[in-house]
Formats: sequence, C-alpha cells, structure tokens
Amino acid sequence: DAGVIQSPRHEVTEMGQEVTLRCKPISGHNSLFWYRQTMMRGLELLIYFNNNVPIDDSGMPEDRFSAKMPNASFSTLKIQPSEPRDSAVYFCASSPWDGGDYNEQFFGPGTRLTVL
Amino acid sequence: GEDVEQSLFLSVREGDSSVINCTYTDSSSTYLYWYKQEPGAGLQLLTYIFSNMDMKQDQRLTVLLNKKDKHLSLRIADTQTGDSAIYFCITGTASKLTFGTGTRLQVTL
Repeated sequence: DAGVIQSPRHEVTEMGQEVTLRCKPISGHNSLFWYRQTMMRGLELLIYFNNNVPIDDSGMPEDRFSAKMPNASFSTLKIQPSEPRDSAVYFCASSPWDGGDYNEQFFGPGTRLTVL
Repeated sequence: GEDVEQSLFLSVREGDSSVINCTYTDSSSTYLYWYKQEPGAGLQLLTYIFSNMDMKQDQRLTVLLNKKDKHLSLRIADTQTGDSAIYFCITGTASKLTFGTGTRLQVTL
C-alpha cells in the first residue's frame, strides 16, 4: 500500500497567491482529516470528512481556507489569498473509522508551506 | 478546550530506558494514543491503550495510565538510536483528537 500521498511536498509562494494542497487517502479509508502543524500551536485539526462529506470544519481558521473532497480518492485544501502566517506543515490523514471509539489515523508526509 | 501537556525534550543514552510523560484534561477519552513522528515524516501510531486499562505492554513499549490523575506515560526499554523522534500523546474522542505538544527524544551513544 502506498500510504497517504500528499503533493506538493514543499511549496513556496508569495503573499496574496492562491495555494492548493492535495491529498490522496489510503484506498478503502472512509475518513479524511486535514491538520496544520506549527511551532507555536502544535497540531491542529482543520477539517474532516466522512464518506466525502465535510463533518467538522470548526478548525478552519477563516474564510480564506476551503477544503473539498470530490471523491473517495482525492481531497484539496485551498488557501486564497495566502498570508505569511499560513506558513506551516499541512498534514492529511485518513482512517477506516467506523464511527466507534477507536480511530487510528494514517498520516501523509505533509506539505511544508512557506508564504513570503 | 481540552489540553494535553508534555515535556518538550528528553535525552537518554542508548540502551537505557526512556520515559515520556503526559498529562491531560479530557476525561471522555475512550482510547489514548502514542504517535511517533520521525524527521520529515508524518505521524504514525506507535501504541494505544483503552481507558479501562492501567497498563499495556507491547515488546519494548509499556504504557501506563492513571485515570485518577489524568496521567499517561510511555516507557521505551533498551532505547535505540532509531527511536530518536518526536512522540505525541493524543487523547480526546474519535472525532476530535487532542494532540500534545510532542516530546523530542534524543538518543545519544
């Protein structure tokens, strides 16, 4: 199994530009999570999907952030316009979560975003 | 919101035992997890414990849970250089995990 795939691995962009991060979850997993990791705030859940439907987006910082999951094998996280404070490592994770109490998540390698 | 606290750094000698501690506030956790993050990589599950257990052993790993004090620990026996990584204590419900700050484990020769 290839694991969770994220692209790009690194992204450097200028303030005001649109940024799109991509994620391919593990085949057969029905839940997908987007996280942001910074030194100051640690790991924060931004949004998660279950069966391609957004369930909880309360962690999305503001309207500049949007996420989609058009099908079971692809998700995007978009930032428009980007700002320097968005610089972080963004992780995508997937899981075969059945709604029970146990939820092992499988993380991708992350996208390191730098906004100049 | 809920909080999970860990010390930021731990240094041990190869062959010694490592103990990473965590305190948390969320009493609703049914499972508590330890994840490992190696440099440049995502997190991966190391082990977990069900909340009605006090201890779980898995090869070199021992997890101790004190629910009364809301304290979780991870002991790594015979620590190796390959164990150098950041270790995250994770609590919360299945739909809303709460991550600790992570403890960076440095293993010296």
